[in-house]
Amino acid sequence: DAKTTQPTSMDCAEGRAANLPCNHSTISGNEYVYWYRQIHSQGPQYIIHGLKNNETNEMASLIITEDRKSSTLILPHATLRDTAVYYCIVRVPSYSGAGSYQLTFGKGTKLSVIP
Amino acid sequence: SQTIHQWPATLVQPVGSPLSLECTVEGTSNPNLYWYRQAAGRGLQLLFYSVGIGQISSEVPQNLSASRPQDRQFILSSKKLLLSDSGFYLCACTLQGYLDTEAFFGQGTRLTVV
Repeated sequence: DAKTTQPTSMDCAEGRAANLPCNHSTISGNEYVYWYRQIHSQGPQYIIHGLKNNETNEMASLIITEDRKSSTLILPHATLRDTAVYYCIVRVPSYSGAGSYQLTFGKGTKLSVIP
Repeated sequence: SQTIHQWPATLVQPVGSPLSLECTVEGTSNPNLYWYRQAAGRGLQLLFYSVGIGQISSEVPQNLSASRPQDRQFILSSKKLLLSDSGFYLCACTLQGYLDTEAFFGQGTRLTVV
């Protein structure tokens, strides 16, 4: 799986949009971008994933650049409960025919939502 | 939906003692299973993963071992714990084929070796 680079930490005011960047410049054509978050002392929670189109669900939006070398996770209206470490990973899911079973996390971005 | 059970939630063990952490999965069959460790203030480190019964891949050399005696059971063991084995241990699973959209995590075991 390709490596990712994320800022170590970010702050965001409550109620504002939180934009978390991720660089994955060595991503290959069949690798998807996944985002997870980990609230203190809990297991990571899946947020969203995508291949090349932008994606949106009830939790967040995922914007992937046209060259797919970077992406941004957007939490549209951050709340105090969104304070967590956010992980961006890239992997090939098994249904892509060359799926990787490895699931490797980097150090993530510690997002602090400020009242 | 898939549920991962891990126990115990917390564990304090003396150096040199054995370890056995168990993880079981409900709601699916033939999952891929993973053991992670997270040291205090650090990221998630992949320790082992398994794609089937008896099939274990190790990611880092260490004094830990893993076994998968049944399809939905994954066990992390050690014969003699070291201080450096302290950390937060997480079990996770992914599904096969077109169900492979996300990884599901247990709530973890916090191990303190004293």
